[in-house]
Amino acid sequence: QKEVEQNSGPLSVPEGAIASLNCTYSDRGSQSFFWYRQYSGKSPELIMFIYSNGDKEDGRFTAQLNKASQYVSLLIRDSQPSDSATYLCAVNLLNNAGNMLTFGGGTRLMVKP
Amino acid sequence: GAGVSQSPSNKVTEKGKDVELRCDPISGHTALYWYRQSLGQGLEFLIYFQGNSAPDKSGLPSDRFSAERTGGSVSTLTIQRTQQEDSAVYLCASSLGVGGAGTDTQYFGPGTRLTVL
Repeated sequence: QKEVEQNSGPLSVPEGAIASLNCTYSDRGSQSFFWYRQYSGKSPELIMFIYSNGDKEDGRFTAQLNKASQYVSLLIRDSQPSDSATYLCAVNLLNNAGNMLTFGGGTRLMVKP
Repeated sequence: GAGVSQSPSNKVTEKGKDVELRCDPISGHTALYWYRQSLGQGLEFLIYFQGNSAPDKSGLPSDRFSAERTGGSVSTLTIQRTQQEDSAVYLCASSLGVGGAGTDTQYFGPGTRLTVL
């Protein structure tokens, strides 16, 4: 079992819809959770991070964290074709050395006009 | 301030040659990470530096791979006797790494695309 798991997709949503991306992780005591976006041929860029249970909103993006169930989600409202990319979940797992992050395999999102 | 920089952006080499890839982290970031990403694949962790020491080098795929960091800043990843399977994008990231909320946020450089012929 992978320590940070994501559905590889592709997840296809129509323009204007809400895209929901999910990630589960293995260590219940993990504290830091991150979402990165990676366009084809580019390096990952940080979207947002979340540390506390509940929702955290930033523009069209909302991260949701549920530590009891060990999952973190990213919602993208009013999805645009420019949101088409691979979304990477990253977790600072309890057993990681220092500030290392463990990355999931990513979910490819396709937003169709 | 400037972000993470990497050089070269592209490197084409012949099988059996040695290559050096360079990463210059964000100023003040004490932690530095190397990853490898093959075409269409996820991030593969290679090595992590805290300051000049490497608490975790478990991801280095073979003894042909080595990395060093000097002065707590620039890092060099060296691949000896390159093989075709080494072809990938090599990504570097850095974080503040001093503990506390937000210090584990990693920022990535643009990567070095390595092609071994």
